[in-house]
Amino acid sequence: GENVEQHPSTLSVQEGDSAVIKCTYSDSASNYFPWYKQELGKGPQLIIDIRSNVGEKKDQRIAVTLNKTAKHFSLHITETQPEDSAVYFCAASKGNNSPAFGKGNQVVVIP
Amino acid sequence: NAGVTQTPKFQVLKTGQSMTLQCAQDMNHEYMSWYRQDPGMGLRLIHYSVGAGITDQGEVPNGYNVSRSTTEDFPLRLLSAAPSQTSVYFCASSINGLAGSYEQYFGPGTRLTVT
Repeated sequence: GENVEQHPSTLSVQEGDSAVIKCTYSDSASNYFPWYKQELGKGPQLIIDIRSNVGEKKDQRIAVTLNKTAKHFSLHITETQPEDSAVYFCAASKGNNSPAFGKGNQVVVIP
Repeated sequence: NAGVTQTPKFQVLKTGQSMTLQCAQDMNHEYMSWYRQDPGMGLRLIHYSVGAGITDQGEVPNGYNVSRSTTEDFPLRLLSAAPSQTSVYFCASSINGLAGSYEQYFGPGTRLTVT
């Protein structure tokens, strides 16, 4: 089955700087790559997703890039703010398969 | 819409006790699933359902049962609780059986402690 890995496990950034989290996946047939944000005490919530027919997608301060050849995709957060502090999960999946999640990244934005 | 709701929010059980974690969604989603979240382990799939009357096992199904008699509800049963089942449990739903192609909507979670 699909195996998804996330790096780094913890990331600390100064407020206003950029944060980048990278995920790798194993199944070249995976074609849907969502990112979820989990705030303390809450369930994960989708913040952005990308499909395999697109190389990059942007939504205000967040963007996701996909490299199908290398089988990795990254989340980019620009102009980080304290409310960006959370755990971020990536996932990879295809068709009717349940998504495989990475182990999560703790992002800490230092004011 | 309330989205995905879970009850209870917190539960403490003694080893060997049984209980049911409730999950309901009001979005008419076909796909529903249960995950457990443990420190450093991410989200691991326990069981899932692609529609009423259809369930299947995920990555870590042992010790858990599920049923799906309606589109809205997907309860998770712990048959005989063990300390290894101490975890945070999340229920999620997705618009249709193509769960690998669409957003998952997560509930707020149930924090379970087994002593």
